[in-house]
Amino acid sequence: GQNIDQPTEMTATEGAIVQINCTYQTSGFNGLFWYQQHAGEAPTFLSYNVLDGLEEKGRFSSFLSRSKGYSYLLLKELQMKDSASYLCAVRENNQGGKLIFGQGTELSVKP
Amino acid sequence: EAQVTQNPRYLITVTGKKLTVTCSQNMNHEYMSWYRQDPGLGLRQIYYSMNVEVTDKGDVPEGYKVSRKEKRNFPLILESPSPNQTSLYFCAAGGLGEQYFGPGTRLTVT
Repeated sequence: GQNIDQPTEMTATEGAIVQINCTYQTSGFNGLFWYQQHAGEAPTFLSYNVLDGLEEKGRFSSFLSRSKGYSYLLLKELQMKDSASYLCAVRENNQGGKLIFGQGTELSVKP
Repeated sequence: EAQVTQNPRYLITVTGKKLTVTCSQNMNHEYMSWYRQDPGLGLRQIYYSMNVEVTDKGDVPEGYKVSRKEKRNFPLILESPSPNQTSLYFCAAGGLGEQYFGPGTRLTVT
């Protein structure tokens, strides 16, 4: 079956580093996405990993281990505006465009 | 400016009255997709399209239809809406490595 797991909620302090984990079990794999979604808004693209390793983009980094079915999103130098929901999604290989989302991690950044 | 637009943004309708939510993109992307988002269930894919005249079911296609007659448009059709289709709907367009989402359509079916 298909399953993508993320923690439901996390809290962190402004200026700190936070790691949001995502584990997946899907019938195929052709890439993993991270999106940010502020309340009442559309998701916005953060990162895409298809090979193992770390992808860095400014304050955000994303890591993938295909053998472990595991990814994380690392946010550095947290700012108040980073308070949002973070969505992990997997593209299944054998379906081409089929995309499965986790339920999202609600991150609260405190002063 | 790269954009995905949806219309209407808000809609209240009654059970059984056919409706269409339009989606248009100006980025020339081949891939487009529709999602619904419900509390506690997250984003779920309804249908997607890899190219013109090519559409496939996502996880929750029941009660919905789509068409892709041209690259820029991907309308979502509810032939006979029911209250369980009350939700927030997002259209998206993109390439292999990313997707851009439209602003969302909040649909209420009474």
